[in-house]
Amino acid sequence: GEDVEQSLFLSVREGDSSVINCTYTDSSSTYLYWYKQEPGAGLQLLTYIFSNMDMKQDQRLTVLLNKKDKHLSLRIADTQTGDSAIYFCAESRMGANNLFFGTGTRLTVIP
Amino acid sequence: KAGVTQTPRYLIKTRGQQVTLSCSPISGHRSVSWYQQTPGQGLQFLFEYFSETQRNKGNFPGRFSGRQFSNSRSEMNVSTLELGDSALYLCASSLGGQGNEKLFFGSGTQLSVL
Repeated sequence: GEDVEQSLFLSVREGDSSVINCTYTDSSSTYLYWYKQEPGAGLQLLTYIFSNMDMKQDQRLTVLLNKKDKHLSLRIADTQTGDSAIYFCAESRMGANNLFFGTGTRLTVIP
Repeated sequence: KAGVTQTPRYLIKTRGQQVTLSCSPISGHRSVSWYQQTPGQGLQFLFEYFSETQRNKGNFPGRFSGRQFSNSRSEMNVSTLELGDSALYLCASSLGGQGNEKLFFGSGTQLSVL
């Protein structure tokens, strides 16, 4: 199928790590992205990973990619209340600029 | 550097009307893509414009159309509005290379069809 899948909800306590998971569909996807959406706002690009990489770290963010299982994850270290938002993974297919987005995971950070 | 600007921020229309949404990309970006976001269907790609030409198109009916001007600004038009067209319409810009670019999104236009 064409669906990029994510779990819908995640709650964590402030200061803990958050792990958001995503399963994508196209083995030919060359870039995979994580976007953040806060209420009433557009999408903010957080990070991305090239398909020939297994891991990418960017400050508090760590992206892990398992190409064999088509599994992507985003780990947020030391999660803060300001991290509460909806997180979308997205894949580009066939080298085009149109992205296929997951359903989004609503992260709630409990103080 | 200014981000992607979309106008208007909110729109209310009635069924059967038509609507035009506007998007100004980041300076220097030549590609503009449009996405529809609804609670039921999530984020779906509408189309992409580059150098005033539609380069990619999603699976939307012909009532959805767009265009791009020589300054890379883009408009999208929806004719004969239906209740199901109520959505957040997001515009994204990128430099314009062929694929796998970082897309930068605007805040969107929230369209309500009554």
